[in-house]
Amino acid sequence: EAQVTQNPRYLITVTGKKLTVTCSQNMNHEYMSWYRQDPGLGLRQIYYSMNVEVTDKGDVPEGYKVSRKEKRNFPLILESPSPNQTSLYFCASSYTGTGLYGYTFGSGTRLTVV
Amino acid sequence: GEDVEQSLFLSVREGDSSVINCTYTDSSSTYLYWYKQEPGAGLQLLTYIFSNMDMKQDQRLTVLLNKKDKHLSLRIADTQTGDSAIYFCAARGGGADGLTFGKGTHLIIQP
Repeated sequence: EAQVTQNPRYLITVTGKKLTVTCSQNMNHEYMSWYRQDPGLGLRQIYYSMNVEVTDKGDVPEGYKVSRKEKRNFPLILESPSPNQTSLYFCASSYTGTGLYGYTFGSGTRLTVV
Repeated sequence: GEDVEQSLFLSVREGDSSVINCTYTDSSSTYLYWYKQEPGAGLQLLTYIFSNMDMKQDQRLTVLLNKKDKHLSLRIADTQTGDSAIYFCAARGGGADGLTFGKGTHLIIQP
């Protein structure tokens, strides 16, 4: 089944403890992206990647890192999480950056930083 | 950059038609999308329309695009309880950056 898989689905952590949220797609998509969803703010893009070893900042990249060493994986790294990074995170992928047929989204990761 | 606006809530009676509206600011937006998010789930692509189209119909869904006013709408005919969700409008320009999403419209179905 074609899908984008995120792990974990739920995570509670403490301020300053490094964490990684994994994202993997099995559709051979070139383009991958991370969004965060917050009440009243909708979805905001954190980082995106046009292909392997090509990443760029979205609208809200502060406090996040990403890497794209393989086509299928696009992990989101929080080196020193803070409570304002408590949010619902979505990974998405598409054949190309043009998103001609839209993006496929993962099921989301709900992160709480205390 | 692009800005996409939607109203936050829409309440309709079961069986009626729902019309969810969206406006965007970038006249060069080439692709426009509607996504549906059910509780606890990710976003599911419902339909899309290209900027060279005025209308697209897909079963109970009708998308209307008014390029002059930069206005997009999604009409759901014969609204059912299963249509209860958050609906996101999204726009994409011609560049390499990602989609810009609206804040989402909560569709509430009254029996």
